[in-house]
Amino acid sequence: NAGVTQTPKFQVLKTGQSMTLQCAQDMNHNSMYWYRQDPGMGLRLIYYSASEGTTDKGEVPNGYNVSRLNKREFSLRLESAAPSQTSVYFCASSELSRGGSLHFGNGTRLTVT
Amino acid sequence: AQSVTQLDSHVSVSEGTPVLLRCNYSSSYSPSLFWYVQHPNKGLQLLLKYTSAATLVKGINGFEAEFKKSETSFHLTKPSAHMSDAAEYFCVVSDQGTYKYIFGTGTRLKVLA
Repeated sequence: NAGVTQTPKFQVLKTGQSMTLQCAQDMNHNSMYWYRQDPGMGLRLIYYSASEGTTDKGEVPNGYNVSRLNKREFSLRLESAAPSQTSVYFCASSELSRGGSLHFGNGTRLTVT
Repeated sequence: AQSVTQLDSHVSVSEGTPVLLRCNYSSSYSPSLFWYVQHPNKGLQLLLKYTSAATLVKGINGFEAEFKKSETSFHLTKPSAHMSDAAEYFCVVSDQGTYKYIFGTGTRLKVLA
């Protein structure tokens, strides 16, 4: 049982470079999420997808785009990375409609220099 | 709008003494509430959840939390701390129908020998 799989685990970018973080879940969940974690700030919601075909902004969407490719996959793209985007990124999935909890991937540690 | 306040950013207890981590929430609708734990350099693990059933919720590793609607609180407790409980703890709220999970800023628990 893989659960939620994120790639890559680590990434270093230069300012202005772009990259896509990949996320896939095998639990047949409808909802998927991207969070960033910064010291002292908890996890902040970047974007979420309540169901396949829909995406919505969270608390901190600026500088990011997302794609819900199918029910399993939800990617996060940084078009032009900035040092302020240095963070640990977590993907998660859930079935909130049934009071479900979030299931997390192992995270991606991104450094932008 | 939903929000979460974790009242203490750091808590220190001696091994074998009780643990209390405080969480207050704001919710427009019937909320689901969760506690997650994150050990150093690890991912996030669900401790327990409240989804409108019993107000006293038991979780893993001896933790429990009580939902108090009149106080808008969901405090996490454990009768006797263990060294392995040292970690960061996050309180999370989700309003029914919103599909969003909002995190508190976390409480770092230190357990002294």
